Amino acid sequence: DGGITQSPKYLFRKEGQNVTLSCEQNLNHDAMYWYRQDPGQGLRLIYYSQIVNDFQKGDIAEGYSVSREKKESFPLTVTSAQKNPTAFYLCASRPQGNQPQHFGDGTRLSIL
Amino acid sequence: DQQVKQNSPSLSVQEGRISILNCDYTNSMFDYFLWYKKYPAEGPTFLISISSIKDKNEDGRFTVFLNKSAKHLSLHIVPSQPGDSAVYFCAASAATGANNLFFGTGTRLTVIP
Repeated sequence: DGGITQSPKYLFRKEGQNVTLSCEQNLNHDAMYWYRQDPGQGLRLIYYSQIVNDFQKGDIAEGYSVSREKKESFPLTVTSAQKNPTAFYLCASRPQGNQPQHFGDGTRLSIL
Repeated sequence: DQQVKQNSPSLSVQEGRISILNCDYTNSMFDYFLWYKKYPAEGPTFLISISSIKDKNEDGRFTVFLNKSAKHLSLHIVPSQPGDSAVYFCAASAATGANNLFFGTGTRLTVIP
């Protein structure tokens, strides 16, 4: 059945290492998004992409990078430049038109 | 600067009663508002939305009210059920379907059987 798959659910990395979070959707949605959630805070937009091979920075893009080579996939790389990478990361997608965003189940990243 | 605020971090309600979750916003350009529900270790699930041309939208047990002059919206759940226990996020954008959604910090609803 259709949905948004984020993997892995939990991820541990050593400080200073880059890490890539996976997001795949089979909903044929055009737009995809990455959010970060910290304890006691709302979701904050990192990057978004409206079409293949195009993406835009959100409110907190520093220390992150993305790619959109395929419509189904929107991986997020947390680089060593991100000062405080430990957080819950959520991927979302949305079809064209006046439709809400739909979310995956998230990846919890912990930097050791 | 938090443009969407949910000032009540938690709310407890008896099963069968009404739950009222509140949300305030500061940006007068916002014209599309959504509520999401989130269970632990899962992503948010879309619940209901409202555009600024309306002041009420209803879907089953869920009703969202929008007061543009007060920059305030609320979600009413009637009757509340134990399965409604979750964190509820309010979100807003400057255009329907816009890419930049601004989220509140969430309200944890507990429905007591």
